[in-house]
Amino acid sequence: DIQMTQSPSSLSASVGDRVTITCRASQSIINYLNWYQQKPGKAPKLLIYGASSLQSGVPSRFSGSGSGTDFTLTISSLQPEDFATYYCQQSFTFGQGTKLEIK
Amino acid sequence: QVQLQESGPGLVKPSETLSLTCTVSGGSVSSGSYYWSWIRQPPGEGLELIGYIYDSGSANYSPSLKSRVTMSVHMSKNQFSLMLSSVTAADTAVYYCARGTSTIGGRPLDYWGQGTLVTVSS
Repeated sequence: DIQMTQSPSSLSASVGDRVTITCRASQSIINYLNWYQQKPGKAPKLLIYGASSLQSGVPSRFSGSGSGTDFTLTISSLQPEDFATYYCQQSFTFGQGTKLEIK
Repeated sequence: QVQLQESGPGLVKPSETLSLTCTVSGGSVSSGSYYWSWIRQPPGEGLELIGYIYDSGSANYSPSLKSRVTMSVHMSKNQFSLMLSSVTAADTAVYYCARGTSTIGGRPLDYWGQGTLVTVSS
């Protein structure tokens, strides 16, 4: 089974900061990597699919990159509504999640 | 706009079978471009994909749950369902249904239901 290791598990940042979250696969997954945002009490929301494609309606401050085993989600300028938990996903496996909190 | 809604008992006794249904509106479960998934999230924990099913009835389950999971699709009702047998307290979670898109990179889960909490307790 492919393992997904997401880091960091938590992150404190301020509005306006640039933030990067990393997801590493235990073997190459080409670009089969998706990113989701989840707010408390809500269902996850798709942000990025295929490692770098922005889902319709998602602000352009979100971007994804990477291929093979190493992937990143970047938020270029944090907004108040971005404080949430973020998950990467490849097939059956989700990363452990990164909780983004206000500094 | 596609919408998904989970329904089913919120309380299940240990050793019994958990049964949930997802009703799809604004789209059709018979579309071959999509697959239909169940995901769960124990309280305070991360996400676990239980499995998914295509309109053909072909299903793929998580290896860790495979022996206890059955999914089915009901075209006439535009629904799909999950059955999880021999439940224990470890199966207590919010259960989500979601649509996956088969035809784009990453095969992402692009529409989700709001989730339903299922508690396993006597």
